[in-house]
Amino acid sequence: EAGVTQSPTHLIKTRGQQVTLRCSPISGHTSVYWYQQALGLGLQFLLWYDEGEERNRGNFPPRFSGRQFPNYSSELNVNALELEDSALYLCASSLGGTDTQYFGPGTRLTVL
Amino acid sequence: DQQVKQNSPSLSVQEGRISILNCDYTNSMFDYFLWYKKYPAEGPTFLISISSIKDKNEDGRFTVFLNKSAKHLSLHIVPSQPGDSAVYFCAASRAGTASKLTFGTGTRLQVML
Repeated sequence: EAGVTQSPTHLIKTRGQQVTLRCSPISGHTSVYWYQQALGLGLQFLLWYDEGEERNRGNFPPRFSGRQFPNYSSELNVNALELEDSALYLCASSLGGTDTQYFGPGTRLTVL
Repeated sequence: DQQVKQNSPSLSVQEGRISILNCDYTNSMFDYFLWYKKYPAEGPTFLISISSIKDKNEDGRFTVFLNKSAKHLSLHIVPSQPGDSAVYFCAASRAGTASKLTFGTGTRLQVML
């Protein structure tokens, strides 16, 4: 069974640009989560989507947004990129909002 | 405000010995705890979890202990193997809301031959 997949693997952007990251959950999982891991920090919760709806949001500015599609895949959009947005962005999925989360390999975003 | 803390950034252990990774939390509302292992260039892999109604959960070489009064949990790996070398994160969530996991900053375990 395929795990959580994310694309792209790496991305380099410049300050002020916009970026879209993509995630496909494990088959049958309806919940998708996004986390940011900046250098030297733990994983910080960004967003939780379930059944196409945003269910919870971490302490991040509105320029971080996303959506979940009918096939449960998800996109994370970051507008007006700042240098401190450079991080590993991890997507996870679960059967529902109360189950163990399984992570993808992440997208490494570098903002210059 | 770091609600989940892993105070040891790194740990070195001889192969075959016990590895003990520690985690402290400050939010008394947390009642579900997980450990994840992360290799470089990969996402975290779920290892083991424990609910606050238990004080111990075992899965093969991995055992997690929870001390609610001390707001402390630990992961024991016995015996340690070189393939266990990775960064270990503990995470916590509130009752029925595993949707928002709060992670520690991780402990890098190196198992030496």
